Amino acid sequence: NSKVIQTPRYLVKGQGQKAKMRCIPEKGHPVVFWYQQNKNNEFKFLINFQNQEVLQQIDMTEKRFSAECPSNSPCSLEIQSSEAGDSALYLCASSLYGAGNTLYFGEGSRLIVV
Amino acid sequence: SQLAEENLWALSVHEGESVTVNCSYKTSITALQWYRQKSGEGPAQLILIRSNEREKRNGRLRATLDTSSQSSSLSITATRCEDTAVYFCATHQGGRALIFGTGTTVSVSP
Repeated sequence: NSKVIQTPRYLVKGQGQKAKMRCIPEKGHPVVFWYQQNKNNEFKFLINFQNQEVLQQIDMTEKRFSAECPSNSPCSLEIQSSEAGDSALYLCASSLYGAGNTLYFGEGSRLIVV
Repeated sequence: SQLAEENLWALSVHEGESVTVNCSYKTSITALQWYRQKSGEGPAQLILIRSNEREKRNGRLRATLDTSSQSSSLSITATRCEDTAVYFCATHQGGRALIFGTGTTVSVSP
């Protein structure tokens, strides 16, 4: 059973709409990752945080995607203007020490853009 | 391009048989991890094998790592229907993100 909690499990948005997903990392894990998994099971790393600070993010994230991990609140990933190509499973993972160690994933938020 | 990739898209076996998933990667690594993702779930780590290790076991699972050929394998013995899943290798190459392969679907039938 996942200890990383992601909400919502599913969201359906029209093109141009905002889509927001939340993630509560496993307790005590300072490092949080967001990945996008497409229908072919391919993973795309989006962004990661250590506590509230961004460690690394890809160019796509810098344009229409925004993410934050405020203290004492869930982490979030938001797509400002959804496009059909954003339809995917968005996975949040947390870790004690970063990518060289075990990542604990949530069950994901599946976004469908119609 | 994929920095880690499994060699076959899909494998099918019957319960009780063994199955091996292979993975190759393209740069030097500090560690390689194997994850399993069942339908409707997020990935779950099975084994983490560091670059100075050649083999690691976890119950019915056995992972090998050959840094000279930049390849790894995950073997599952005495398979069960609940082993049906997509299996990914993932590598950490010094950056901050874990890089996942494209996955191999393993189907175990009764």
